[in-house]
Amino acid sequence: KAGVTQTPRYLIKTRGQQVTLSCSPISGHRSVSWYQQTPGQGLQFLFEYFSETQRNKGNFPGRFSGRQFSNSRSEMNVSTLELGDSALYLCASSLDRDSGYTFGSGTRLTVV
Amino acid sequence: GESVGLHLPTLSVQEGDNSIINCAYSNSASDYFIWYKQESGKGPQFIIDIRSNMDKRQGQRVTVLLNKTVKHLSLQIAATQPGDSAVYFCAEKYGYSGGGADGLTFGKGTHLIIQP
Repeated sequence: KAGVTQTPRYLIKTRGQQVTLSCSPISGHRSVSWYQQTPGQGLQFLFEYFSETQRNKGNFPGRFSGRQFSNSRSEMNVSTLELGDSALYLCASSLDRDSGYTFGSGTRLTVV
Repeated sequence: GESVGLHLPTLSVQEGDNSIINCAYSNSASDYFIWYKQESGKGPQFIIDIRSNMDKRQGQRVTVLLNKTVKHLSLQIAATQPGDSAVYFCAEKYGYSGGGADGLTFGKGTHLIIQP
């Protein structure tokens, strides 16, 4: 079956702009979580959605937001981009709240 | 906050040898642990997981050991192959069995290098 699909794979944005990233989970998976990966901070949890509800949120500013649709697809949005937002953004899906997590290949965001 | 860490940023082993990658965690409430492998340009790939009610779990060529007394997790890879070259991360989750806790907390990662 198809894995977790993230689009786009690469993105270049200018400071101050906003960006929306998309994640399609594995078919049947209802939980989607987002992570930011940088060389300095490693992998950090952003937020997790289950059945369209945000269940948990990591320690990130309010510029980072997300949502989940009824088909479990999820989007995350970053407003007023800063240079430090340059990172690999990873999405992971799981069948339910008590299952393992499968990651997508990520979206590489570069802010210039 | 509490986090999971790895002891070594880089580990170099000879092809065919066994590899052991270690991880220390600090949250005694963690009850679910996962090892991931990440190759360049790809997302983390699930290797093996273990719940806190177990102390050992085996997969194909991999074994995870959990020592809750000293809060230590290790990944053993048997007969290391060139394709095992990657960065390995341990991750923890607490409140897993009851759901609703924060997402996975990742360690910094160990880069496994396979020498021919």
